[in-house]
Amino acid sequence: DSGVTQTPKHLITATGQRVTLRCSPRSGDLSVYWYQQSLDQGLQFLIQYYNGEERAKGNILERFSAQQFPDLHSELNLSSLELGDSALYFCASSVDINYGYTFGSGTRLTVV
Amino acid sequence: ILNVEQSPQSLHVQEGDSTNFTCSFPSSNFYALHWYRWETAKSPEALFVMTLNGDEKKKGRISATLNTKEGYSYLYIKGSQPEDSATYLCAFTSGNAGNMLTFGGGTRLMVKP
Repeated sequence: DSGVTQTPKHLITATGQRVTLRCSPRSGDLSVYWYQQSLDQGLQFLIQYYNGEERAKGNILERFSAQQFPDLHSELNLSSLELGDSALYFCASSVDINYGYTFGSGTRLTVV
Repeated sequence: ILNVEQSPQSLHVQEGDSTNFTCSFPSSNFYALHWYRWETAKSPEALFVMTLNGDEKKKGRISATLNTKEGYSYLYIKGSQPEDSATYLCAFTSGNAGNMLTFGGGTRLMVKP
């Protein structure tokens, strides 16, 4: 157990639907990052939050949004889902970039 | 867009072989270079965080070097074992990217007994 908890582990949903992925960072880590890994692609950065505020944004689609709550857990909302959104979504947390990221186990999203 | 490239994409070696792979990254505005080990069905785990030109880090049979001036890092595995089979990711962050890491595509290592 890395200390970063992601739920659910697996999610199967239909096109056009909306889902919410949840991440609880490791205790003491203020930063949360979301990454997407699609088939045959590397980890693509989506968004970063630090202590409740958005800190950096990557190639995140407008249909996707995220937030970090006062207890530091984060949610990634994916709406109007398309087949191409099927991917493994990772959350990671860090206390400081010099110590590296701690990754959660990921949520595998399948859109059918 | 930052480009982090890793080579080779995959590598098959025999148990006991030593091996190395390369990570290339932008040499300007460097802040840190990370290496992660990602086993199948698990999540990536941090191996090394390197920040200074000429840095060398070692953990057991695995070591890494860093050249920030020319923009590359090498990961070495001495005497590969089947349990070393994994994808090895490098990730780069620049001075103006905050804590956001840009990952390479990874090198998939398979060690045959």
